[in-house]
Amino acid sequence: DAGVIQSPRHEVTEMGQEVTLRCKPISGHNSLFWYRQTMMRGLELLIYFNNNVPIDDSGMPEDRFSAKMPNASFSTLKIQPSEPRDSAVYFCASQSGGGKLFFGSGTQLSVL
Amino acid sequence: AQTVTQSQPEMSVQEAETVTLSCTYDTSENNYYLFWYKQPPSRQMILVIRQEAYKQQNATENRFSVNFQKAAKSFSLKISDSQLGDTAMYFCAFGVDSNYQLIWGAGTKLIIKP
Repeated sequence: DAGVIQSPRHEVTEMGQEVTLRCKPISGHNSLFWYRQTMMRGLELLIYFNNNVPIDDSGMPEDRFSAKMPNASFSTLKIQPSEPRDSAVYFCASQSGGGKLFFGSGTQLSVL
Repeated sequence: AQTVTQSQPEMSVQEAETVTLSCTYDTSENNYYLFWYKQPPSRQMILVIRQEAYKQQNATENRFSVNFQKAAKSFSLKISDSQLGDTAMYFCAFGVDSNYQLIWGAGTKLIIKP
């Protein structure tokens, strides 16, 4: 298995632009998570999907953030419009039984 | 509220030495899981080891082992024969079956010196 696949690995954009991050979870995993990691706040859960349905989006910072999971093998996290304070590493993770999280390699987002 | 505390922001040891990273947690749950994740400079979060609270036997994975003290709510990670490739941030995390969320510690930066 290739593991959780995220793209792009790096994204540099200007303030106000739309940013779309992509994730392919591990096949057979029913749960998918989007996390954000910063030095100041550590690892924050943004949204959680179970069987492609958003269960908890209370961690999404504001309406500029949205996430979708149209099928079991694909999810997107979109920021529109982006702001410099959105700069962070964004991780996607899928979950197997027993709580184990398997992370993608992350997207380093820089908003100038 | 459930919390995870890693009291060592940074540690460094010589290659081949043994190092122990500490983690304490607070919960009223009886059935839960504990994890150690490693984040090397490549930034990928990698599962190192997992412990189920109902198991008394400490989990081991090659050079990595845990000292799980349920009554004390302590879950330390021991790395034996440390290698340069063990240099990374190490995160302790806690989870329960009834809740999808993992509660994360702040991390310990471990540096292995040649």
